[in-house]
Amino acid sequence: AQTVTQSQPEMSVQEAETVTLSCTYDTSESDYYLFWYKQPPSRQMILVIRQEAYKQQNATENRFSVNFQKAAKSFSLKISDSQLGDAAMYFCAYHGSNNFGNEKLTFGTGTRLTIIP
Amino acid sequence: NAGVMQNPRHLVRRRGQEARLRCSPVKGHSHVYWYRQLPEEGLKFMVYLQKENIIDESGMPKERFSAEFPKEGPSILRIQQVVRGDSAAYFCASSHSTGISNSPLHFGNGTRLTVT
Repeated sequence: AQTVTQSQPEMSVQEAETVTLSCTYDTSESDYYLFWYKQPPSRQMILVIRQEAYKQQNATENRFSVNFQKAAKSFSLKISDSQLGDAAMYFCAYHGSNNFGNEKLTFGTGTRLTIIP
Repeated sequence: NAGVMQNPRHLVRRRGQEARLRCSPVKGHSHVYWYRQLPEEGLKFMVYLQKENIIDESGMPKERFSAEFPKEGPSILRIQQVVRGDSAAYFCASSHSTGISNSPLHFGNGTRLTVT
């Protein structure tokens, strides 16, 4: 079974600085998708960024980018120019090729990000 | 365009009562997923439904929990004879078609169930 590990329960960063959140996963599949979701206090799950495993280029969405290391099974999220609105729980998630046709995701336990003004 | 609507937002039940959680997917979406989030944990998959069919219930507890997605109306997650351990946030997500590359999941804001 696939597992997703987020080893940092909490992180903090000064406003306008850069922070990196770690995620590792375990899988025997060669084709899969990886995601970062943001969950603010409102509880809404917001998709931040996603990466297809077959793509070598790291995904980027404005201030958010990933460092995808397929061989190391690592998928870290970098947030540049941190803003107060970035404060939230961040979840890493995995979707495997064996589940194509079924979009269920496997989530990590999350990292709580605090932004220091 | 309305997103995934879940109600109620908060639900309090006494031990032994029944809890019914509702989810209206994005208009036109025919695939619904239910997840459970225990305090300080990530979301755990429970069940995947298409209209009138349960496709994957591998994450559902074998007893007391059931889910449906009728031809008309919202999807319902039903928990009978609730216990304190059922206290959690329950999230619904929907998609238009199979394949995440074509149709990412849209999540609702969840229902927080508290069992007293």
